[in-house]
Amino acid sequence: GQQLNQSPQSMFIQEGEDVSMNCTSSSIFNTWLWYKQDPGEGPVLLIALYKAGELTSNGRLTAQFGITRKDSFLNISASIPSDVGIYFCAGFYNTDKLIFGTGTRLQVFP
Amino acid sequence: GAVVSQHPSWVICKSGTSVKIECRSLDFQATTMFWYRQFPKQSLMLMATSNEGSKATYEQGVEKDKFLINHASLTLSTLTVTSAHPEDSSFYICSARDPSELLSNEQFFGPGTRLTVL
Repeated sequence: GQQLNQSPQSMFIQEGEDVSMNCTSSSIFNTWLWYKQDPGEGPVLLIALYKAGELTSNGRLTAQFGITRKDSFLNISASIPSDVGIYFCAGFYNTDKLIFGTGTRLQVFP
Repeated sequence: GAVVSQHPSWVICKSGTSVKIECRSLDFQATTMFWYRQFPKQSLMLMATSNEGSKATYEQGVEKDKFLINHASLTLSTLTVTSAHPEDSSFYICSARDPSELLSNEQFFGPGTRLTVL
């Protein structure tokens, strides 16, 4: 079945550093989403990508949808402590069913 | 933006009992809601799609007789974990799609319910 693999699994960075994480799939997805999940909370949508090659920004966040529609990356610039959490990529299959990636756990040290 | 709530936020129960979790869309009507399960340090896994006025659609490997889903109104879906066992302990998260958002399939997620079965 469809799988979304994220790398790295976890990251430990210092406040102010830039962050980059990736998501790859063996299948083509028409829509890619990036979510952030804080401990004990549901995921919150950060960025949605709809077109191959699309580059979208949301404040300090930038995400791109790969040309092949099988990968995406998320960058966070000038990280701050509240960026701590788990970042998930997700893609739609069968119209409205979401499949989530394996997640990247981000820890930011002051 | 659209808001989805869940109740309770956490529940502890004895093995063999049943637990009901509610998912509500607060400011929109949701014909479709989704139930996910997340084990510690793992990703969210879709359990079932809840359709208002009809039977839920379960993902492969999810027992429909154990996880009863009822979507009786456009703003409420319930998940009942029947005869709960310790291995059912997990974080259960629902989401809802706002049908007025025609340009996307965005799902709005609830805050989750932490279930611990003793």
